[in-house]
Amino acid sequence: DTGVSQDPRHKITKRGQNVTFRCDPISEHNRLYWYRQTLGQGPEFLTYFQNEAQLEKSRLLSDRFSAERPKGSFSTLEIQRTEQGDSAMYLCASSFDTYSYEQYFGPGTRLTVT
Amino acid sequence: AQKVTQAQTEISVVEKEDVTLDCVYETRDTTYYLFWYKQPPSGELVFLIRRNSFDEQNEISGRYSWNFQKSTSSFNFTITASQVVDSAVYFCALSGGSNYKLTFGKGTLLTVNP
Repeated sequence: DTGVSQDPRHKITKRGQNVTFRCDPISEHNRLYWYRQTLGQGPEFLTYFQNEAQLEKSRLLSDRFSAERPKGSFSTLEIQRTEQGDSAMYLCASSFDTYSYEQYFGPGTRLTVT
Repeated sequence: AQKVTQAQTEISVVEKEDVTLDCVYETRDTTYYLFWYKQPPSGELVFLIRRNSFDEQNEISGRYSWNFQKSTSSFNFTITASQVVDSAVYFCALSGGSNYKLTFGKGTLLTVNP
């Protein structure tokens, strides 16, 4: 049984460029979550999917951010026109279809915007 | 609104000492779930435990134990006979009601010195 995987693990980009991250959840899980973690802080919720439907988006998710989960499998998070403030660890998690079940996290993608 | 407070930013102990990490939460939900996650230097969040709001039984797992007290809105975590491998950032998190997202505290950095 493989865990949640994320790709790439590290991304360095110049301000103004677009970046896309991928998350592959645990195969039995139909819920998928994205969080952002900055230095010295706990993860902050960005958005989540149940199957292919995006059910909630945080106010943290500006218009430059978009997430998809085609066919309810892997998910992508795209940031357009990156800013230095976007530098953070982007974490993906997955869980079964109930809020009582724990979320399992991937290793994260560390984004550095120069 | 939900809130999790981990007042201890950093704790340093010597190996074999017992250490307790504090977590205080706020929620208006009558049904909610509390979690502890470990984030070692490698960065990946590791699930440790989930507790339901209607189950106040304390739990022990090896050297780990958890004390859930609804009367004080606390969910504290104790490591007995700490080891160097316990060094990590520990996060307390909360979910509940119709919110599937996790609300995290800021974390406590535990350093266990040999």
